[in-house]
Amino acid sequence: NAGVTQTPKFRVLKTGQSMTLLCAQDMNHEYMYWYRQDPGMGLRLIHYSVGEGTTAKGEVPDGYNVSRLKKQNFLLGLESAAPSQTSVYFCASSLRKQPQHFGDGTRLSIL
Amino acid sequence: DQQVKQNSPSLSVQEGRISILNCDYTNSMFDYFLWYKKYPAEGPTFLISISSIKDKNEDGRFTVFLNKSAKHLSLHIVPSQPGDSAVYFCAASGAGNQFYFGTGTSLTVIP
Repeated sequence: NAGVTQTPKFRVLKTGQSMTLLCAQDMNHEYMYWYRQDPGMGLRLIHYSVGEGTTAKGEVPDGYNVSRLKKQNFLLGLESAAPSQTSVYFCASSLRKQPQHFGDGTRLSIL
Repeated sequence: DQQVKQNSPSLSVQEGRISILNCDYTNSMFDYFLWYKKYPAEGPTFLISISSIKDKNEDGRFTVFLNKSAKHLSLHIVPSQPGDSAVYFCAASGAGNQFYFGTGTSLTVIP
């Protein structure tokens, strides 16, 4: 049972490049979340989804887009990466609104 | 502005003693609270939760206390074990789907 899997685990980008982070869960959860964690700050919600085909903005959505075309996958996109988006990104999933199961994170550096 | 605050960045406790981690919140509409534990290079792991209709919730060695009038919650770990050494985050939510996280407290349990 893999739980929540994030791909990739590490990535270095140049300013202006684009990329997509993939989150996959095998628990048939309805809710999925994308958070970022920065030094000295707690996890901040970027976007979330309460079911297949739905997405909503969180606390810090600017510069990111998301899609939930399949229930098990939640994609986070950076269209034009900026150094301020250097962070550790965590995906989470849950049956109800409480984020219960987290992936191990994606470390993203933007130069 | 940070709606959930953990004012102690770190805490050291002897093995076998009680660990008390504190969390304060500012939004009186928050009605559900959670604690997570995080090891380095891993995602957070859900530990215990409490809703605002209770003032205490217990799960094994972990107990969460909620003081609504003071907008304060605490996590007690008794007895503390070396494996409890980790960063602990509290999080809070109101009527919406967003959870707001504190900045974390790093607990070290000394053998």
